[in-house]
Amino acid sequence: GESVGLHLPTLSVQEGDNSIINCAYSNSASDYFIWYKQESGKGPQFIIDIRSNMDKRQGQRVTVLLNKTVKHLSLQIAATQPGDSAVYFCAENPHDDKIIFGKGTRLHILP
Amino acid sequence: EAGVAQSPRYKIIEKRQSVAFWCNPISGHATLYWYQQILGQGPKLLIQFQNNGVVDDSQLPKDRFSAERLKGVDSTLKIQPAKLEDSAVYLCASSYLAGGPNEQYFGPGTRLTVT
Repeated sequence: GESVGLHLPTLSVQEGDNSIINCAYSNSASDYFIWYKQESGKGPQFIIDIRSNMDKRQGQRVTVLLNKTVKHLSLQIAATQPGDSAVYFCAENPHDDKIIFGKGTRLHILP
Repeated sequence: EAGVAQSPRYKIIEKRQSVAFWCNPISGHATLYWYQQILGQGPKLLIQFQNNGVVDDSQLPKDRFSAERLKGVDSTLKIQPAKLEDSAVYLCASSYLAGGPNEQYFGPGTRLTVT
């Protein structure tokens, strides 16, 4: 069946270091992927997206990498800040405007 | 631009009781979604509206859940009767377009606890 999963449920990173959050997807028909950030008590917030015809996309302090060969997606956050503490979800779009979320990775910033 | 509004923010009920959640999407957004997010998991789509019509309700437990969007703007999601496993955060999201991938804007959610 369709599924999006994450390798690590919790990631602890020193403030100022780079963070890398990984995600595996299983639906080869998916052609659009999104990373969401969810802070405590809030709804998911769009961070960055990437289409399947790309393998890298950069935003402000964030980079998403897509490896379609192994169905792997990653989110890199440069110079991690305390405000980056949240749960990060990858999501895939298998068709139309449907979004399927993975289970999430909690990013914990160490002082 | 005002975001997606939801109320109430928290609700505690006993099993077998009824509960209703309200959502006001971003002005001009034709598509509205209701998601269920169980603790520790990603949101799962329950129902999708385009204007006042249902596009997808395949994951909605229709024996106890119902939703409507009568005038194509606000929406309500109802659970009757509630079960313990309905304890979750119910998220509403809206998007400007439909029919293809586009950004969904989420509200803060309603945290439901069924005891």
